Amino acid sequence: EDQVTQSPEALRLQEGESSSLNCSYTVSGLRGLFWYRQDPGKGPEFLFTLYSAGEEKEKERLKATLTKKESFLHITAPKPEDSATYLCAVQPVNDYKLSFGAGTTVTVRA
Amino acid sequence: DGGITQSPKYLFRKEGQNVTLSCEQNLNHDAMYWYRQDPGQGLRLIYYSQIVNDFQKGDIAEGYSVSREKKESFPLTVTSAQKNPTAFYLCASTLTGDNYGYTFGSGTRLTVV
Repeated sequence: EDQVTQSPEALRLQEGESSSLNCSYTVSGLRGLFWYRQDPGKGPEFLFTLYSAGEEKEKERLKATLTKKESFLHITAPKPEDSATYLCAVQPVNDYKLSFGAGTTVTVRA
Repeated sequence: DGGITQSPKYLFRKEGQNVTLSCEQNLNHDAMYWYRQDPGQGLRLIYYSQIVNDFQKGDIAEGYSVSREKKESFPLTVTSAQKNPTAFYLCASTLTGDNYGYTFGSGTRLTVV
């Protein structure tokens, strides 16, 4: 069974204080690892897809990296508008269903 | 604009009632999914459908039912057999092989009163 574990559960940052979120996974062959952002009371919004170990993707202050066992989402010099819950999900090679972690809730204070 | 629409945004259910959550997409996506989200837990898959007139149970299908009569529509019924239905329900869709994973709707918050 595919498993996704995200840590920490919650992260409080000062504006400008860079940090990283972790997503550890086990899957029987990885088709893709996905990062989403979710604002309170809304549906998740797609951020990145990573396919193979060593791959990196960037978008504004966010950078996602992938190894064979985990992915990191780095937030560089965060702003209050980066406050959200960040979800990680894995998709196995033999299916299109996604398995999600519980998320990391990031709060950035001005 | 293409997208996926869930309605209503808020829904209140009395004990013993069945309620139906709507999900419509105009993205021409093949597959559609229903997830349930509870505080502190990951999204859990209820049902999914990859083609019209076919659907499969997910991890927590008990107490729920779905239909897929049209490609654009995938309604979810929460039956009285679901003992703890209060949650945030998310509908999603995707093209098989899409690099963007799922497109999600804005969710329906169901509360038992």
